[in-house]
Amino acid sequence: NAGVTQTPKFRVLKTGQSMTLLCAQDMNHEYMYWYRQDPGMGLRLIHYSVGEGTTAKGEVPDGYNVSRLKKQNFLLGLESAAPSQTSVYFCASLTGGSYEQYFGPGTRLTVT
Amino acid sequence: AQSVTQLGSHVSVSEGALVLLRCNYSSSVPPYLFWYVQYPNQGLQLLLKYTSAATLVKGINGFEAEFKKSETSFHLTKPSAHMSDAAEYFCAVRGRTGYQKVTFGTGTKLQVIP
Repeated sequence: NAGVTQTPKFRVLKTGQSMTLLCAQDMNHEYMYWYRQDPGMGLRLIHYSVGEGTTAKGEVPDGYNVSRLKKQNFLLGLESAAPSQTSVYFCASLTGGSYEQYFGPGTRLTVT
Repeated sequence: AQSVTQLGSHVSVSEGALVLLRCNYSSSVPPYLFWYVQYPNQGLQLLLKYTSAATLVKGINGFEAEFKKSETSFHLTKPSAHMSDAAEYFCAVRGRTGYQKVTFGTGTKLQVIP
């Protein structure tokens, strides 16, 4: 099993450009999450999903959109990137029968 | 609402010394608690978890943590630090019901001095 994978690993965008980050998990987990990690702020929840076709806002959802069309995939979109969105983005998944989240390796995004 | 506070954003210890990383939580009901470790340029890896069985939890790499309800604490310890322990450590809390929201602390960077 690959676990949780994220595509791409690195990306540089110019202000105003758009992009989509892909998270995929092969563990049949119901719950999926997108976090951003910034120095001194830990991990902050952007959006999450409790199942295929459902999404909900987390702590810092502004400027991001998500979709969960398939159970194994969770997409994070930036419609018009801003320098404040420069961060490392982590995807995680969880199944109701377990306790801990499983994390992907992260995507380092720089917006200039 | 649940929250986690990690005391000390940076901790330095000498190689071979005791490691103590502090975590206090706030939750309306006894939660699940976790410690994760992040090595440079990597994702988060689970060190250990408390799920209401034994209050002293042993994890990987010689780490352990004790759940103290009266103090609302879940401090992480290791008797003897190794150079390879240098990393950032995150405490996290999760509720037992609902949509399984997990709240993370702001992290503690551990430096191990030779």
